[in-house]
Amino acid sequence: KQEVTQIPAALSVPEGENLVLNCSFTDSAIYNLQWFRQDPGKGLTSLLLIQSSQREQTSGRLNASLDKSSGRSTLYIAASQPGDSATYLCAVKDGYAGKSTFGDGTTLTVKP
Amino acid sequence: DAGVTQSPTHLIKTRGQQVTLRCSPISGHKSVSWYQQVLGQGPQFIFQYYEKEERGRGNFPDRFSARQFPNYSSELNVNALLLGDSALYLCASSSLTPGTGKTYEQYFGPGTRLTVT
Repeated sequence: KQEVTQIPAALSVPEGENLVLNCSFTDSAIYNLQWFRQDPGKGLTSLLLIQSSQREQTSGRLNASLDKSSGRSTLYIAASQPGDSATYLCAVKDGYAGKSTFGDGTTLTVKP
Repeated sequence: DAGVTQSPTHLIKTRGQQVTLRCSPISGHKSVSWYQQVLGQGPQFIFQYYEKEERGRGNFPDRFSARQFPNYSSELNVNALLLGDSALYLCASSSLTPGTGKTYEQYFGPGTRLTVT
C-alpha cells in the first residue's frame, strides 16, 4: 500500500526566502508525481507533473525533483512571496490508470 | 477552455439521506476521478472512471457509488449518509496527452462541500 508523507506539516518564512518542501513515498513503482497548491476551501491547482522517467520539472520560480529509488520528491520555491501562502500537496499515481495517493500537505505562510 | 466544473457548490443533508454530486470534465478528457477531502488531510481516492468503465476503487463502503456518462461527465452517489461523510468532494479529470510529457496530469474542480447534520 502506497503511503505519502509530507514534512514539515507547516512552514512560516519571511518574504524573499528560498524554501524546499519535501514529499516521500513508500512504493517506488510509480507512474507520475504531481505537486498541487490548495487555497483554503478551494480545489487543487496543478503546479508541476513529473513522469516516472524524469528527474525534474521547472515552472517559473518552482522546481520539482524526483528520486524514485529513494522515494523522494522536493518542491523548491525561489524568492517566496506572500501570494505563495497556501497548502502544497504532492500526489503519487500508481499505474497509468491507477489511483493517486496524496500526502496531507505542507501549509506555507510567507510573511511580508 | 472551461475547467472542471462541479455542482452543487455546497450541500447540507441529514443523516440517513442520499446525495448526488455531479462533475463535468475538461472537454476531451475521458477520465474522471473522485476524491474525498476531510479538513486538515489530503484527498482520499474514491473512484476512477475511464471511457465509462470503473478503473479503480478506493477503500470506501458500498454506500458510495459512481457512474460516467457517454459525454464523460460523472455522478457520485452516497447513500445512508453519516456524519463522517461531511467533507469536500473533489472531482479530477485527466487525459493522455502524447508528446507533452504530461500524461494523465490531473485537473481538479472547485469541489462540493457536503455537510451532514
